[in-house]
Amino acid sequence: KQEVTQIPAALSVPEGENLVLNCSFTDSAIYNLQWFRQDPGKGLTSLLLIQSSQREQTSGRLNASLDKSSGRSTLYIAASQPGDSATYLCAVRPGAGGTSYGKLTFGQGTILTVHP
Amino acid sequence: EAQVTQNPRYLITVTGKKLTVTCSQNMNHEYMSWYRQDPGLGLRQIYYSMNVEVTDKGDVPEGYKVSRKEKRNFPLILESPSPNQTSLYFCASRLQGSEGYTFGSGTRLTVV
Repeated sequence: KQEVTQIPAALSVPEGENLVLNCSFTDSAIYNLQWFRQDPGKGLTSLLLIQSSQREQTSGRLNASLDKSSGRSTLYIAASQPGDSATYLCAVRPGAGGTSYGKLTFGQGTILTVHP
Repeated sequence: EAQVTQNPRYLITVTGKKLTVTCSQNMNHEYMSWYRQDPGLGLRQIYYSMNVEVTDKGDVPEGYKVSRKEKRNFPLILESPSPNQTSLYFCASRLQGSEGYTFGSGTRLTVV
């Protein structure tokens, strides 16, 4: 059974700092990995998606990397801003085939606070 | 606007009283899914559906039912709710062959 772990559980940084959020998964047979952002009382917004064959994806100040063989992904946020404060979740989608194809397994999330 | 709509947003109910949480998407997505989110446990998948009349269990299906009679709707049914089903519920959809998931805004359910 796939298990996804995110470290740290919470992170508080001053504005302008670069930071890294970590995600690890136990089964490397994944189709892709996604990073989501969740604001309080809101749904999830997809930030970046990395296919299993890719090493990284970038969007603005965000960069996500994937090392499938070691079961790890990182989300790098450059020049953090107070508006980045939210919960960040990673989720893995299993490889095609088998009964688990439709499943998406989430980590518990990292609560990020960026203070002015 | 392309979206996933859940109703209600908030619900307080009593143990044993059947309830339905609705989920509707206007994007013609084949795939739909329900999750519950609990502190310290993250999001866990309850049920998912790959298309009309095709549903399958997720990781925590006990106490829940779903149906997919139409492509746009995927209701979550609690036949006899219990306090341990108090949680924040999310519905999501995805176009087959696409990668991006669209999530609803959530339904906060309290069972007393």
